[in-house]
Amino acid sequence: DGGITQSPKYLFRKEGQNVTLSCEQNLNHDAMYWYRQDPGQGLRLIYYSQIVNDFQKGDIAEGYSVSREKKESFPLTVTSAQKNPTAFYLCASTQPLGGDEKLFFGSGTQLSVL
Amino acid sequence: DQQVKQNSPSLSVQEGRISILNCDYTNSMFDYFLWYKKYPAEGPTFLISISSIKDKNEDGRFTVFLNKSAKHLSLHIVPSQPGDSAVYFCAVYNRDDKIIFGKGTRLHILP
Repeated sequence: DGGITQSPKYLFRKEGQNVTLSCEQNLNHDAMYWYRQDPGQGLRLIYYSQIVNDFQKGDIAEGYSVSREKKESFPLTVTSAQKNPTAFYLCASTQPLGGDEKLFFGSGTQLSVL
Repeated sequence: DQQVKQNSPSLSVQEGRISILNCDYTNSMFDYFLWYKKYPAEGPTFLISISSIKDKNEDGRFTVFLNKSAKHLSLHIVPSQPGDSAVYFCAVYNRDDKIIFGKGTRLHILP
């Protein structure tokens, strides 16, 4: 079955530690996105990538980094510079030229600070 | 400044009645408008979309209406069912840009 896989489901970060959230898709989509959900804040865009080896900052990119070395993978690193990392993180993908643009989401990663 | 606004944080509707969720946007150049449904601790799932050249799209119990002059989008669910209780996100998409979400509306379907 095609879809988006996020791992781990739950992740704990210690002070000063970098952690990486995995996102893999087998939908052959060109575009991938990372969103963060906080209570009452909806979904806020962190980074997005329209094509391999290219990515752009979203609205809240500070304290995060990404890479897009392969079409199917878009890992997100939460660095120690992100002072409030506790949130539910969602990865998504879409095919921009498909004509019926809709995001497919993974099941999310809940990140908490120890 | 929010480009997509869902002004009602929550909405309660009796089972069997119509649920109407509203969304306002600021940019008349958006191409596509989408609605997503989200349960706690899960990823959002796509519900229905509409392109800017249409004013209505229907899929079963779900109908989306687009009023371009008012920059207003609404989702109608009829009849409302208990499983419809969730958070609903409005999203807008410009083919050359990113997808932007509203803050969501929590829908409660009352027995």
